[in-house]
Amino acid sequence: RKEVEQDPGPFNVPEGATVAFNCTYSNSASQSFFWYRQDCRKEPKLLMSVYSSGNEDGRFTAQLNRASQYISLLIRDSKLSDSATYLCVVNNDYKLSFGAGTTVTVRA
Amino acid sequence: DTGVSQNPRHKITKRGQNVTFRCDPISEHNRLYWYRQTLGQGPEFLTYFQNEAQLEKSRLLSDRFSAERPKGSFSTLEIQRTEQGDSAMYLCASSSWTANYGYTFGSGTRLTVV
Repeated sequence: RKEVEQDPGPFNVPEGATVAFNCTYSNSASQSFFWYRQDCRKEPKLLMSVYSSGNEDGRFTAQLNRASQYISLLIRDSKLSDSATYLCVVNNDYKLSFGAGTTVTVRA
Repeated sequence: DTGVSQNPRHKITKRGQNVTFRCDPISEHNRLYWYRQTLGQGPEFLTYFQNEAQLEKSRLLSDRFSAERPKGSFSTLEIQRTEQGDSAMYLCASSSWTANYGYTFGSGTRLTVV
């Protein structure tokens, strides 16, 4: 079983729509959690950390459910520039483990 | 120092040749990581340094792979006798004492073995 599993998508949504997707992780001892964004053929970039209480960063909302070991990301009012692959990431001590990514395409 | 720097950005090599990649981390970061990413997959952990000490190597790293960080600053990743299956993006990242704030990645070196 992979450490981090994500729905690969793709999610194809119109501008202005809301899109949400989850990931699950296998190690209950994982310490911290992130969403990274990766554009085609570029390096991953940190989008936001994920906290148990849930957190927002502008149009992005992340939630963590430790009991069920899943993490979610919601994007409101989607923009064309949100088109990317979103990587779910968990930190086990010093090492980050990445999901395979969820592809989001926002169309005009 | 504006980020993690990797060189070269692209490398095309013939099967059987040796290649070496370089990573310069953010100067105040003592932890350095190498990951490999193939198409449609997330980055996979290869190895990790804390200062100059290599503390973990993934089982993905065959004997043909070696990494060094001689003075606890830049790092090199060498692949000997390259195979077509080595074609991938090789990503370097660095972090401070804790990865609780995530990593900063370099732009990667895209290796194509022909």
